[in-house]
Amino acid sequence: QSVLTQPPSVSGAPGQRVTISCTGSSSNIGAGYDVHWYQQLPGTAPKLLIYGNTNRPSGVPDRFSGSKSGTSASLAITGLQPEVEADYYCLSYDSSLSGYVFGTGTKVTVL
Amino acid sequence: QVQLVQSGAEVKKPGASVKISCKASGYTFTSYALHWVRQAPGQGLEWMGWMNGGNGNTKFSQKFQGRVTVTRDTSASTVYMELSGLRSDDTAMYYCARELSGGGGSWGRLGSWGQGTLVIVSS
Repeated sequence: QSVLTQPPSVSGAPGQRVTISCTGSSSNIGAGYDVHWYQQLPGTAPKLLIYGNTNRPSGVPDRFSGSKSGTSASLAITGLQPEVEADYYCLSYDSSLSGYVFGTGTKVTVL
Repeated sequence: QVQLVQSGAEVKKPGASVKISCKASGYTFTSYALHWVRQAPGQGLEWMGWMNGGNGNTKFSQKFQGRVTVTRDTSASTVYMELSGLRSDDTAMYYCARELSGGGGSWGRLGSWGQGTLVIVSS
């Protein structure tokens, strides 16, 4: 069981906006450690989507955005299109575990 | 361009060890940290550990300490991850992933990934 909790699934109609939460604690997100987000399309390796809470690597469209507050972080996806159907994971450092932890993962479905 | 090419799939018996390679190209090998991540079938991602690109020091998840060894051959720009005492629940896809930023240290920004190596543990 991960220390970073995400909703198992979120869905939305094409064009809509969805958000994915990543809830942690005072030993990880709440301690100030950065949150990074990864997208995993079916059958492929994960891809870095957001790093350092809010930053997009080169090539990632601006429909993806990240935020962080307190012991939680969020990933927002706007203008939903079928190509964003994937699993999404947050990642942060946990001081009590002395290592990194992934969130439980969220499957995004475009209705 | 940055490439991480991993070794091929493995089938092992319980109790055996497996050694996976991750060959890097397209960048200065010793300037970037490398992480190992695994994913059991139908499950989420699990961080295993990382190696400092500069000094080769390693740090592992408490779950794998004592069972995992990560080494490197800088002349071949290759990192090796060996997992011992294999159990059926070690059946997973194993990925190596490089930090987005250089300096050798770790920030969890895994910007480039290998294609994955499937390890099946079965009697």
